[in-house]
Amino acid sequence: SQQGEEDPQALSIQEGENATMNCSYKTSINNLQWYRQNSGRGLVHLILIRSNEREKHSGRLRVTLDTSKKSSSLLITASRAADTASYFCATSNFNKFYFGSGTKLNVKP
Amino acid sequence: ETGVTQTPRHLVMGMTNKKSLKCEQHLGHNAMYWYKQSAKKPLELMFVYNFKEQTENNSVPSRFSPECPNSSHLFLHLHTLQPEDSALYLCASSQLDRSTDTQYFGPGTRLTVL
Repeated sequence: SQQGEEDPQALSIQEGENATMNCSYKTSINNLQWYRQNSGRGLVHLILIRSNEREKHSGRLRVTLDTSKKSSSLLITASRAADTASYFCATSNFNKFYFGSGTKLNVKP
Repeated sequence: ETGVTQTPRHLVMGMTNKKSLKCEQHLGHNAMYWYKQSAKKPLELMFVYNFKEQTENNSVPSRFSPECPNSSHLFLHLHTLQPEDSALYLCASSQLDRSTDTQYFGPGTRLTVL
């Protein structure tokens, strides 16, 4: 399967701490994207990193991509209670998207 | 919020009912998708439409029947569903001719089959 697999499945941290989530995949990709989902809602796109990029920043988000290891990480710095959600990585290859099961992040105030 | 709307937001139906889910995108995209999200499982891609033509059917049972009358509207017709079909059904759209093929999701329809 080309699906991304997130790790850990669940993460609980205190407000102000950093949260790191990892994603592994199995085949070649055009790009890798991270999405966020609040409970029972649709997914919201956070950030995209192309296969020829190694690191990307957007506000408090930092994404890395290691194509040799077929892995990516999402770092959320200075977390807030509002960051509580599920986070999914999605690999993309020729307009097909493959999502993992997600990491459930709980940020305690 | 995202330019993709879905109705209804919640649906309860019996196994003998026939119902339809509707999705509309206001983003001018040329591709639309149906996904199924069940608890603790990866998001499952069901159908893909490019320029109103179905390009992907991921072995979805025939009790799910998609319809795409134009590039802005997508339907999922449901009939004789099973309780295991209860899930969150998400619609998404994207613009395929861009190098950044980001998907924009609707809020989903929470379906319960009794």
